Amino acid sequence: GAVVSQHPSRVICKSGTSVKIECRSLDFQATTMFWYRQFPKQSLMLMATSNEGSKATYEQGVEKDKFLINHASLTLSTLTVTSAHPEDSSFYICSARDQTSTDTQYFGPGTRLTVL
Amino acid sequence: GQQLNQSPQSMFIQEGEDVSMNCTSSSIFNTWLWYKQDPGEGPVLLIALYKAGELTSNGRLTAQFGITRKDSFLNISASIPSDVGIYFCAGQDLSSYKLIFGSGTRLLVRP
Repeated sequence: GAVVSQHPSRVICKSGTSVKIECRSLDFQATTMFWYRQFPKQSLMLMATSNEGSKATYEQGVEKDKFLINHASLTLSTLTVTSAHPEDSSFYICSARDQTSTDTQYFGPGTRLTVL
Repeated sequence: GQQLNQSPQSMFIQEGEDVSMNCTSSSIFNTWLWYKQDPGEGPVLLIALYKAGELTSNGRLTAQFGITRKDSFLNISASIPSDVGIYFCAGQDLSSYKLIFGSGTRLLVRP
């Protein structure tokens, strides 16, 4: 299957700082990427849809000024957690939509964010 | 909003046994997907189903897309220890391509 990478794999930061997470589709172009958040022992919760060349669309209850998304190219989307607080600590996972014949979403390996 | 009910929540089985899990939805999906997630990793696609009634296999895994497009099941035959993990079903929204995930089935396999 297609490969999606995320960087960093884990990050620890102080409260009040901003953290940027990158999501890359390595062997296909993705006009659409998705960002999810997963708390321990829970399912994946969709945060936002990242659209190449246009603004992201956010799910209800997700603060767009808190979670900044930029999809500047067909292979890269970034999620920036601004002014992070301990309650933002979570596992963040991206997926990229491969719009070839199967139109399947492939997931990155996730980024573990810990805010102290 | 759309919801997926996945069951069972967890299973603890003996190596070699077969496993079955299923998902039901209040909404119609045009695509059903089954993923496996290992601890600290992202979900890995196991099987994708695109047509109502479709039955698809991938090695020891078999999944079916319900005829009403509101349900799907996943079977794992002759389980092995590396099958341990959390299995998620996901329905893909018709227009937005968003995935709606089930709550997951945690599988433990006793050697």
